[in-house]
Amino acid sequence: NAGVTQTPKFQVLKTGQSMTLQCAQDMNHNSMYWYRQDPGMGLRLIYYSASEGTTDKGEVPNGYNVSRLNKREFSLRLESAAPSQTSVYFCASSLSRGSSTDTQYFGPGTRLTVL
Amino acid sequence: AQSVTQPDIHITVSEGASLELRCNYSYGATPYLFWYVQSPGQGLQLLLKYFSGDTLVQGIKGFEAEFKRSQSSFNLRKPSVHWSDAAEYFCAVDPNQAGTALIFGKGTTLSVSS
Repeated sequence: NAGVTQTPKFQVLKTGQSMTLQCAQDMNHNSMYWYRQDPGMGLRLIYYSASEGTTDKGEVPNGYNVSRLNKREFSLRLESAAPSQTSVYFCASSLSRGSSTDTQYFGPGTRLTVL
Repeated sequence: AQSVTQPDIHITVSEGASLELRCNYSYGATPYLFWYVQSPGQGLQLLLKYFSGDTLVQGIKGFEAEFKRSQSSFNLRKPSVHWSDAAEYFCAVDPNQAGTALIFGKGTTLSVSS
């Protein structure tokens, strides 16, 4: 049982390049989330997916797109990377939206640098 | 404005000493409340959570937190800190009690001195 996995662990991009961050969970969770973590800012929600086939914007969605490929996988895409997107990105999942008794489980993170 | 505040950016305590990390929130209703810990280079791990009922909540690794409605606070405590507790601690809230994504404080870094 791997929990929440993220690939890659590290990535360096040039401004304007695109890339997709991958996230998968093997806990049969319904809800998945993407956060970014910046020094002194805590974690901020980018997008979330309450269930397969649905996605919603979070606090900082600009410059990102997401795809809930299936129940297990939730990807985050940067179409044209900017230095302001240099951050650590965390994926998380929880059993079901609408129940705060559910715990969010986090992946190990992807450290992205945009030059 | 609605927010989650962790007033202490960095705290240093001696090994074996007690610890209290502060968290205040400003939401109209009592949100669901959480504390997470992040060790260097790692993801976040849930320490404890409060939804309702007993205002003193026990968590993993010997941590506890007390919800005080009158002070809009949810402070994290541990009676005796171990060197392995050195990490970053985040308070988080679910302001709508809807199981939607969390709002995090900016974090408190804990250093433990020998």
